[in-house]
Amino acid sequence: AQSVTQLGSHVSVSEGALVLLRCNYSSSVPPYLFWYVQYPNQGLQLLLKYTSAATLVKGINGFEAEFKKSETSFHLTKPSAHMSDAAEYFCAVSIRSGGGADGLTFGKGTHLIIQP
Amino acid sequence: NAGVTQTPKFQVLKTGQSMTLQCAQDMNHEYMSWYRQDPGMGLRLIHYSVGAGITDQGEVPNGYNVSRSTTEDFPLRLLSAAPSQTSVYFCASSMTGRRENIQYFGAGTRLSVL
Repeated sequence: AQSVTQLGSHVSVSEGALVLLRCNYSSSVPPYLFWYVQYPNQGLQLLLKYTSAATLVKGINGFEAEFKKSETSFHLTKPSAHMSDAAEYFCAVSIRSGGGADGLTFGKGTHLIIQP
Repeated sequence: NAGVTQTPKFQVLKTGQSMTLQCAQDMNHEYMSWYRQDPGMGLRLIHYSVGAGITDQGEVPNGYNVSRSTTEDFPLRLLSAAPSQTSVYFCASSMTGRRENIQYFGAGTRLSVL
């Protein structure tokens, strides 16, 4: 079975500083990995996804993530934080077992706080 | 450009009451799913459907029923609500059930069971 671990339920950075949100996964098959963002009282919006084409994936709003198979990691980064980046971020993994569709397995989320 | 629409946005129930959470998508997606979101737990899959007439259980299906009579709609039924079902519920859809497909989420339904 697959699982996702997000290190740090809350991360606080200063505006303009580097954002680093950590995600490690476990999967018995090559994974497809996703980062979603959730703004207050809204649904989830896709930031980026890894589907084995390239290990460095660029997403919306200046975010990117690097897939490292040896470390089973898919950390999310942004060079310079903006106040508008304050939100909940979820890492998710998708695998396919048997003939069925498994949906997404989510991490518990990381709340990103931006200090002015 | 509606995408995935969930109704109602908020609901308060008493223990033992029943209700249906509605979900509709206008993207002609084959795959639809329901998740619940609880503090510190992330999102967990309740039920999913790979097409009209086909449904299956996810990680936490107990206490919930689903059906899929049309491509567009995927309602979630609580037959006898319990306080443990207090949560935020999200419906999602994707083109197919293939793992690389992006899932699109509705805005959610906040449910409180007293």
